[in-house]
Amino acid sequence: AQSVTQPDIHITVSEGASLELRCNYSYGATPYLFWYVQSPGQGLQLLLKYFSGDTLVQGIKGFEAEFKRSQSSFNLRKPSVHWSDAAEYFCAVGALEYGNKLVFGAGTILRVKS
Amino acid sequence: NAGVTQTPKFQVLKTGQSMTLQCAQDMNHEYMSWYRQDPGMGLRLIHYSVGAGITDQGEVPNGYNVSRSTTEDFPLRLLSAAPSQTSVYFCASSSAYEQYFGPGTRLTVT
Repeated sequence: AQSVTQPDIHITVSEGASLELRCNYSYGATPYLFWYVQSPGQGLQLLLKYFSGDTLVQGIKGFEAEFKRSQSSFNLRKPSVHWSDAAEYFCAVGALEYGNKLVFGAGTILRVKS
Repeated sequence: NAGVTQTPKFQVLKTGQSMTLQCAQDMNHEYMSWYRQDPGMGLRLIHYSVGAGITDQGEVPNGYNVSRSTTEDFPLRLLSAAPSQTSVYFCASSSAYEQYFGPGTRLTVT
């Protein structure tokens, strides 16, 4: 069965510090991967996506993620966090072989302290 | 383009009532899906469709019904609402790879 694990339920970082959010997946097909962000009471905003090619992908708001096939991981990074980055972050995996259905992780809530 | 639209934004139901959550997209996408979001569980797939007239169950289909008579619309029906269906519901449509999400419907069942 396909699954996505985000090991950290909550993460707190200081403003200006670096950030890494972890995502591991188990998938029976060549995956394509996403990171979404959700502010309280809002919808989902796509941060970045990986389909193929260069394993380091750049997204919006200064985020990047690296696909590591050997580790089944797709960790999200940002070199310097801003207070406005406080939100919940979701990793998701899909594949054309599974009809574009996405499997989501449980999410990581990011708190930024000043 | 409006993208993916959902109505209503908020809804309160009593246990046993039925209702339909509306979803429409104007991008001519074949794939459409319904997800529910619950705290600590991420988003879980309820039903999905790969084209007009074709639907299938996702991870949590019980208590929900769907149909797809047109490419644009993919309504989700709650047959007899239960408190366990209190959630935020997201509709999505997708091209070959990328999914586009609607703004969500927050449903409370009392």
